[in-house]
Amino acid sequence: EAGVTQFPSHSVIEKGQTVTLRCDPISGHDNLYWYRRVMGKEIKFLLHFVKESKQDESGMPNNRFLAERTGGTYSTLKVQPAELEDSGVYFCASSQEGYGRHEQFFGPGTRLTVL
Amino acid sequence: AQSVTQLDSQVPVFEEAPVELRCNYSSSVSVYLFWYVQYPNQGLQLLLKYLSGSTLVKGINGFEAEFNKSQTSFHLRKPSVHISDTAEYFCAVSSGGSNYKLTFGKGTLLTVNP
Repeated sequence: EAGVTQFPSHSVIEKGQTVTLRCDPISGHDNLYWYRRVMGKEIKFLLHFVKESKQDESGMPNNRFLAERTGGTYSTLKVQPAELEDSGVYFCASSQEGYGRHEQFFGPGTRLTVL
Repeated sequence: AQSVTQLDSQVPVFEEAPVELRCNYSSSVSVYLFWYVQYPNQGLQLLLKYLSGSTLVKGINGFEAEFNKSQTSFHLRKPSVHISDTAEYFCAVSSGGSNYKLTFGKGTLLTVNP
């Protein structure tokens, strides 16, 4: 069974540009989460999808961040325009419904560097 | 609101020595507790979890943790570490409900030296 995959693994962009991160969850996992780790800080929750619906987006930093999950499968996180403070590692995680909700499976992360 | 404190940012130990990584949490509701590990250039992997029942939880790779409700702690232990245990370890909590989002500590970098 394939795990959670994220693309790209690294992205280096200039301030003001747009970047789109992609996450493919484990097949059949309805729950999808995005987290971010800024250097030196803890990993922080950004948002949670249940299928294609946003369940909780309380962790999204501001309206420059837009997350979508078309058809309840893969998800994208777009940053537009990117700022220096957006640099960090963006993790995606997925989990099943029911009792399986307790275990989130994480992807390898996308390291975003904004210059 | 929940929070997690990992008291040590770095823990260096020698191979075959015992290790304890400390984690304290605060929450106004019942919590579920987790330890994740991140090996170099990899994603986060679940080591173990406490959901309910026995307060001593055993995980993968010989790790175990004990939930102490009165001290709001969930310390991770291993009696004898290997070089391959070198990684960053994260303690996390969630409160369930309709959203099982995780609140993480800042992580502890465990370095096992020969």
